Amino acid sequence: GNSVTQMEGPVTLSEEAFLTINCTYTATGYPSLFWYVQYPGEGLQLLLKATKADDKGSNKGFEATYRKETTSFHLEKGSVQVSDSAVYFCALISNNAGNMLTFGGGTRLMVKP
Amino acid sequence: EAQVTQNPRYLITVTGKKLTVTCSQNMNHEYMSWYRQDPGLGLRQIYYSMNVEVTDKGDVPEGYKVSRKEKRNFPLILESPSPNQTSLYFCASSPQNGQGRYTFGSGTRLTVV
Repeated sequence: GNSVTQMEGPVTLSEEAFLTINCTYTATGYPSLFWYVQYPGEGLQLLLKATKADDKGSNKGFEATYRKETTSFHLEKGSVQVSDSAVYFCALISNNAGNMLTFGGGTRLMVKP
Repeated sequence: EAQVTQNPRYLITVTGKKLTVTCSQNMNHEYMSWYRQDPGLGLRQIYYSMNVEVTDKGDVPEGYKVSRKEKRNFPLILESPSPNQTSLYFCASSPQNGQGRYTFGSGTRLTVV
C-alpha cells in the first residue's frame, strides 16, 4: 500500500533560518506529491504540489522537488518567518487509488523571533 | 466564498449518545471525505464519497456512518460514540479530477467522556 513518512517534530527555528522538513514515500504506480499546511485552529491548505519526477513545486517561498530515485519530496524554505509556524503534512495520490490522499504524520514547525 | 463548512466546531458528549457532525460545500465538488487527526498519526481517512449516493470506507471506518443524499452535504454519524473516538475531525471536498487539490473545513474537535 501507499505510505508517507515525515520527520518527527517539533522543529524549532529562529526567524530567517533555513528550513528543511524531510518526506519520503512508498507508492505503487506514479504518485503525485503534495505539501499541505495547517495553521493553528484551521483546516489544511494546499501549499504546493508536483506531479512527476524532477518537478519542483513552489509557493510562498517554500519549495520541494520530486525525487523519484530517492522517493523523497523534502520541503525547504530559505528564510522562515514567525508566521510560518504551523503543522506541515506531506501527502500523495497514487494513480491507482482514485482521488484518495495518503498523509504523513505531520511536522510541527515553531519559528521564534 | 468557496468553502467547506463543518458544524459544530467543538463538541463534548457522553459515551453512547448518538451524534452527527455536518459538512457542507458550496463548490459543486463531486468528491467528499472525512478524516480524523490524532497526534503522531497524521490524518486518517474514515469514509469518502465519489458522488451522490456513492460512499466507501477509508482506512478507519469502524464506529462511523456517512450518507450522501445531496451533492453539497456529507454528514458524519457516530451511532454510539466511545472515548477512542475523541479526536479532531476534518471534512474535505475536491473536484472529481482535482488531483489532490482538496478544500478542508476548519475542523470539529470531539471529546467523548
